[in-house]
Amino acid sequence: GESVGLHLPTLSVQEGDNSIINCAYSNSASDYFIWYKQESGKGPQFIIDIRSNMDKRQGQRVTVLLNKTVKHLSLQIAATQPGDSAVYFCAENGSGNTGKLIFGQGTTLQVKP
Amino acid sequence: NAGVTQTPKFQVLKTGQSMTLQCAQDMNHNSMYWYRQDPGMGLRLIYYSASEGTTDKGEVPNGYNVSRLNKREFSLRLESAAPSQTSVYFCASSGRQGANYEQYFGPGTRLTVT
Repeated sequence: GESVGLHLPTLSVQEGDNSIINCAYSNSASDYFIWYKQESGKGPQFIIDIRSNMDKRQGQRVTVLLNKTVKHLSLQIAATQPGDSAVYFCAENGSGNTGKLIFGQGTTLQVKP
Repeated sequence: NAGVTQTPKFQVLKTGQSMTLQCAQDMNHNSMYWYRQDPGMGLRLIYYSASEGTTDKGEVPNGYNVSRLNKREFSLRLESAAPSQTSVYFCASSGRQGANYEQYFGPGTRLTVT
């Protein structure tokens, strides 16, 4: 069945280092992917998205890479800051153009000062 | 511009009680969604509304009903609450009907059913 999963449940990095959060997806028909950040007690916050006709997209301090061959998505955060500590979710749209999203289970990013 | 708002923020119910969770958005979005999030888990779609006047089941619709009251408001009702419905509920909206764009989330309602 469809699933979106993350390789590591918790990632701990030193402040100032780069972070890489990975995500595997199983639905080959997915053509839209999003990364969300969720801080404790808050709703998910949009970070960056990418469509399947691209393999890389950059935002402010963040980069998303998409490898359709191995169905892998990653989020890179440059110069990680304490404010980046949160749970990060990837999501895919699955098959069809319905606007629905399928979320992975999340990776907790801990930033050590 | 408040974005997506949800009420209440917290709620405790006894098994068998009913309640309605309210959601409103002021971004003129067509699509709205209800998710639940259990501890240590991602979000699972309960119901969604692609446009005013339409609603469809998501991944986990059993025990819930929804109403798309108008373009702004999308409510979620628990007719007879069960402990398995203890969760955090998030409402979201998206700008384009039937298209793939980012969803904007509300702050959530934390529901406990005893």
